[in-house]
Amino acid sequence: NAGVTQTPKFQVLKTGQSMTLQCAQDMNHEYMSWYRQDPGMGLRLIHYSVGAGITDQGEVPNGYNVSRSTTEDFPLRLLSAAPSQTSVYFCASSSGVRHEQYFGPGTRLTVT
Amino acid sequence: QQQVKQSPQSLIVQKGGISIINCAYENTAFDYFPWYQQFPGKGPALLIAIRPDVSEKKEGRFTISFNKSAKQFSLHIMDSQPGDSATYFCAASSGAGSYQLTFGKGTKLSVIP
Repeated sequence: NAGVTQTPKFQVLKTGQSMTLQCAQDMNHEYMSWYRQDPGMGLRLIHYSVGAGITDQGEVPNGYNVSRSTTEDFPLRLLSAAPSQTSVYFCASSSGVRHEQYFGPGTRLTVT
Repeated sequence: QQQVKQSPQSLIVQKGGISIINCAYENTAFDYFPWYQQFPGKGPALLIAIRPDVSEKKEGRFTISFNKSAKQFSLHIMDSQPGDSATYFCAASSGAGSYQLTFGKGTKLSVIP
């Protein structure tokens, strides 16, 4: 199993550009989530999904959209990037053991 | 409002010493408390977790101590090794069927030879 995979690993955007961060898991997990990690701020939940077709907002959802059309994939979209979205983004998935989330390797995004 | 407060922000320990990281929470609905370990350039990985019906859980050199009345829990790393150098996050979740984790801000541990 590859676990949780994320692409790209690094990305530089200009203010106002859009992009999609990809996340996929091959563990047949129902729950998937997106976090952002900023220095001194820990991990903050952006959006999450408890299954295909179901998504909900986390702590910091503004500026981000998600959809979940399949169990495996959970992409995160930035419609109009802002410098405040410069961060490291982690995707995670979980089975029924709710605390045990498996994290991907992260995407480092810089918005100039 | 920060629901899980973690301290210290950074910690330097000599090889063979004990590393102690503390967390405090406010939400009494929290009923599961995991710790995650993150190495540079990697995603966090689950290290150990505890439920509030026990006061201590030990796995190898890693121990969680839990004080329900004080709403505090801590991670102890015995015989700390340079390979333990990483950032540690405490977290909490609540409610049956809840998958959301609330994380502390993290502690960067450096174990020096």
